[in-house]
Amino acid sequence: GAVVSQHPSRVICKSGTSVKIECRSLDFQATTMFWYRQFPKKSLMLMATSNEGSKATYEQGVEKDKFLINHASLTLSTLTVTSAHPEDSSFYICSARDGLLLYEQYFGPGTRLTVT
Amino acid sequence: AQSVAQPEDQVNVAEGNPLTVKCTYSVSGNPYLFWYVQYPNRGLQFLLKYITGDNLVKGSYGFEAEFNKSQTSFHLKKPSALVSDSALYFCAVRASGSGGYNKLIFGAGTRLAVHP
Repeated sequence: GAVVSQHPSRVICKSGTSVKIECRSLDFQATTMFWYRQFPKKSLMLMATSNEGSKATYEQGVEKDKFLINHASLTLSTLTVTSAHPEDSSFYICSARDGLLLYEQYFGPGTRLTVT
Repeated sequence: AQSVAQPEDQVNVAEGNPLTVKCTYSVSGNPYLFWYVQYPNRGLQFLLKYITGDNLVKGSYGFEAEFNKSQTSFHLKKPSALVSDSALYFCAVRASGSGGYNKLIFGAGTRLAVHP
């Protein structure tokens, strides 16, 4: 099956710094990528949807200036958490939709962000 | 508005017994329904989907789910549970008819605990 990778898998940063998380589709072209946030023992909350080459669409309540999303190519999307604070600590999961198989959505392994 | 309900926070079952994880949905139009499984600190793994056709869908690891339009349900089942099935299970729905770009809506998740 299709593979989506995320890097890093785990990151610890100091409050006030920025952190970039990469999401790559390894063997397919992802015209659409999604970024989710998951709190402990909770469901996934969709943060934003990005289509290659265009601006991301953010869900209500998600600060676009804080969570910068770039989808510059058909295999790479990045999420940058700017000026991170401890409340941004969470598990961030990306997923990618194959441009040819609109029903299929593949998930990355997630990135655990801890802000100290 | 689309929504997914997983009424049980946790399901406990003895190894070897059948298991059911419940899911009901609300969507305008024909639903695309999905089940995913998540192991600790990992991303989501696809189990199965219903798009159209047979109401009984067979998926990975011996799981199956039955689409019931009149009850708007898509319960996940397995005839004989294994301890290794213990994980967090998510039901998700996406509405059809929007060019395939609609987002997935996830249920709250159900933790399955299989006891030896």
